[in-house]
Amino acid sequence: LAKTTQPISMDSYEGQEVNITCSHNNIATNDYITWYQQFPSQGPRFIIQGYKTKVTNEVASLFIPADRKSSTLSLPRVSLSDTAVYYCLVGDIGTGGFKTIFGAGTRLFVKA
Amino acid sequence: GAVVSQHPSWVICKSGTSVKIECRSLDFQATTMFWYRQFPKQSLMLMATSNEGSKATYEQGVEKDKFLINHASLTLSTLTVTSAHPEDSSFYICSAPGAGEKLFFGSGTQLSVL
Repeated sequence: LAKTTQPISMDSYEGQEVNITCSHNNIATNDYITWYQQFPSQGPRFIIQGYKTKVTNEVASLFIPADRKSSTLSLPRVSLSDTAVYYCLVGDIGTGGFKTIFGAGTRLFVKA
Repeated sequence: GAVVSQHPSWVICKSGTSVKIECRSLDFQATTMFWYRQFPKQSLMLMATSNEGSKATYEQGVEKDKFLINHASLTLSTLTVTSAHPEDSSFYICSAPGAGEKLFFGSGTQLSVL
């Protein structure tokens, strides 16, 4: 299981773009990179997932360099409701299970 | 999208009693489910992997006799906290792997043991 390292916390203001980088130096060939968002007293929610290069959906973009040893979650124009903890997970769900080890996550605080 | 339903959302019990938490995959089958606990302002800690039709796999340091896991069907896993004590008070979350290499999480259960 690839270990992940993220900044513990980040502050931003409404309307700004926020980039959160995750390091995963020992990522395996079959591993996917998935980001989750968690609000207090709720279960994590899927944000975005990728394997290489760039992935974009309606809420975020995920940038993955060629060596895949890191990834960056980009949240465009954040709002107060984006205040949450963001987790980067790396693993291979295709082998019959996805044993997940959560890192500390990044606490994003969006200010008005 | 895939939905994982977890009940109850919160429960308060007396010390020494047992509490059961249910985790259901509503629109997909899950041969594997995961159970976590989370303390305030901390990350999720994986407790065990629930396997349909076989014994659960517990992480190191997790007491299997205290946290009983049953995965009786392809859509239901239960976690029973037996003889609960105040130190068992925590936020418990389940998840199941679904389509597209994703994990789907329940909404969590806040357990308070008096």
